[in-house]
Amino acid sequence: SQTIHQWPATLVQPVGSPLSLECTVEGTSNPNLYWYRQAAGRGLQLLFYSVGIGQISSEVPQNLSASRPQDRQFILSSKKLLLSDSGFYLCAWSTLTMNTEAFFGQGTRLTVV
Amino acid sequence: GESVGLHLPTLSVQEGDNSIINCAYSNSASDYFIWYKQESGKGPQFIIDIRSNMDKRQGQRVTVLLDKTVKHLSLQIAATQPGDSAVYFCAENILGGYQKVTFGTGTKLQVIP
Repeated sequence: SQTIHQWPATLVQPVGSPLSLECTVEGTSNPNLYWYRQAAGRGLQLLFYSVGIGQISSEVPQNLSASRPQDRQFILSSKKLLLSDSGFYLCAWSTLTMNTEAFFGQGTRLTVV
Repeated sequence: GESVGLHLPTLSVQEGDNSIINCAYSNSASDYFIWYKQESGKGPQFIIDIRSNMDKRQGQRVTVLLDKTVKHLSLQIAATQPGDSAVYFCAENILGGYQKVTFGTGTKLQVIP
């Protein structure tokens, strides 16, 4: 069966520090991969999605970047965190075939102080 | 469309009553719709889906209705229970090469015991 791993679960980082969140998927090949951010009490904001290794689409301009060094690995990064980067970050995957749902990781709670 | 910056609307329902959560989708070309439930501090979980060639689909205590004429989707929960308290998102699958899943604003369901 397919599983998605996202870590760490919680993270407290000072302003100006770098960030690296990692997400890996098991049990499937060539998935679509997504990074979402969810501010407290708000909906899901799509940050990046990827349809293949090295292929990243950015949905909104921001202080973050994403990379996909391997087929089932998706990394969210920042060189210098801002206070506004605080939030709940979710990684998700879906298959490339038509009409499929997205499966989510458990999320990372990032607090920038 | 994206839900950035929007506070989640809240629906309060008495335990045992039926709940109806509504969602408007944006793309008339979408042909697959999904409802997700997100409990506090967790990633969204799949509840039920429906394809555009259907108007209604029933699951266990949940029913999804699709009205393509007005691009409207609803989730009905029968005999709402305290465990149903969560944020509910609808999502649409956009036709095209990348099958990107796009989420609606989300609705917070509060069940009153």
